[in-house]
Amino acid sequence: SQQGEEDPQALSIQEGENATMNCSYKTSINNLQWYRQNSGRGLVHLILIRSNEREKHSGRLRVTLDTSKKSSSLLITASRAADTASYFCATDARGNNDMRFGAGTRLTVKP
Amino acid sequence: EAGVAQSPRYKIIEKRQSVAFWCNPISGHATLYWYQQILGQGPKLLIQFQNNGVVDDSQLPKDRFSAERLKGVDSTLKIQPAKLEDSAVYLCADGQGANTGELFFGEGSRLTVL
Repeated sequence: SQQGEEDPQALSIQEGENATMNCSYKTSINNLQWYRQNSGRGLVHLILIRSNEREKHSGRLRVTLDTSKKSSSLLITASRAADTASYFCATDARGNNDMRFGAGTRLTVKP
Repeated sequence: EAGVAQSPRYKIIEKRQSVAFWCNPISGHATLYWYQQILGQGPKLLIQFQNNGVVDDSQLPKDRFSAERLKGVDSTLKIQPAKLEDSAVYLCADGQGANTGELFFGEGSRLTVL
């Protein structure tokens, strides 16, 4: 079964705007990861946040984690057309780094 | 450092035929995963190996799917016989080990079952 669910399913913004994607999950986790997938390609790891962390930054990316609400958010600041892709969250449902993915958010950044 | 290699990139077969996919992970990475990604959906974990042992295969349809990881390195995923609903991209990923996080994905093998 899928563990994470992303929201919204699709997001369209203008270049320069910020994009926020949310992820909710069902069970306790050790870590939550965000990945990006360009059309027809494999997934690329963006950022990992552990269950004892609340916020993490990497370049234009900011991830938050609220374990009490079983939710995470990914913020991309100052978006670019090249950020157009699908974004997935993944969690380890059984603590073995058995990463299970949600359905993803399809982000379109218009130039 | 070379990435995760998968082959073939594309495969078209008739239903009830068999197919095999191959994955060569990054050298030294202990965990290996096979995912199935149906168009418009997120990847679904089929099987996870730690070295050459199975960690999780709870979502692998064992009546038709099989996977092995010989000597804890390369892996093959086989489907026999294939059904129309098996049309998907099969993604191989690896990681440095349990609880060490980041997965590295190959480009995937796209299967079309007619």
